Amino acid sequence: AQSVTQPDIHITVSEGASLELRCNYSYGATPYLFWYVQSPGQGLQLLLKYFSGDTLVQGIKGFEAEFKRSQSSFNLRKPSVHWSDAAEYFCAVVKMVSSYKLIFGSGTRLLVRP
Amino acid sequence: DVKVTQSSRYLVKRTGEKVFLECVQDMDHENMFWYRQDPGLGLRLIYFSYDVKMKEKGDIPEGYSVSREKKERFSLILESASTNQTSMYLCASRVAGDPYGNTIYFGEGSWLTVV
Repeated sequence: AQSVTQPDIHITVSEGASLELRCNYSYGATPYLFWYVQSPGQGLQLLLKYFSGDTLVQGIKGFEAEFKRSQSSFNLRKPSVHWSDAAEYFCAVVKMVSSYKLIFGSGTRLLVRP
Repeated sequence: DVKVTQSSRYLVKRTGEKVFLECVQDMDHENMFWYRQDPGLGLRLIYFSYDVKMKEKGDIPEGYSVSREKKERFSLILESASTNQTSMYLCASRVAGDPYGNTIYFGEGSWLTVV
């Protein structure tokens, strides 16, 4: 069954530092993969997505993610973090049976030090 | 601008009460979802509706039911609320068909506390 794992519950980085959030997926074929962000008290916003083509995808707010089939990973990166990036980040995969439901990882909470 | 509205942002209910969480979308989307969000567990799918009067159980449907009588409205029902249903509930919607090309839109969530 398709699933995603986010091994880091919390990550703290200093403002201006680089960021990498990990996501590992479980699926035999190429999955549909997504990263969402949830700011405090808000719903989820799509950052970027991947299905095929260039394995490095660009998203909104300066984020990018790289699909690595050999490692079953889809890690999210940002070269320089801003205080406004503090939020919870979710990796997700579409379940490729019947109704294409979106299945989420457990999330990573990002804290940004001034 | 796309809009998924959850009318009740914060609710406090008593154990055993029947609870209705309402969600309305104005984008004529066929698919609608109810998720539950808990710390450390991420979002878990409760129910999915792929069109009016059509529904499918998600991963954690026990203790919940849903109603979709009109395309724009998807209701989550807790028949007899229990304290372990205290959580944040998120509604979402999407155009049917291409699960990659069609973005899923989320409401801002409903915080439910059962005492």
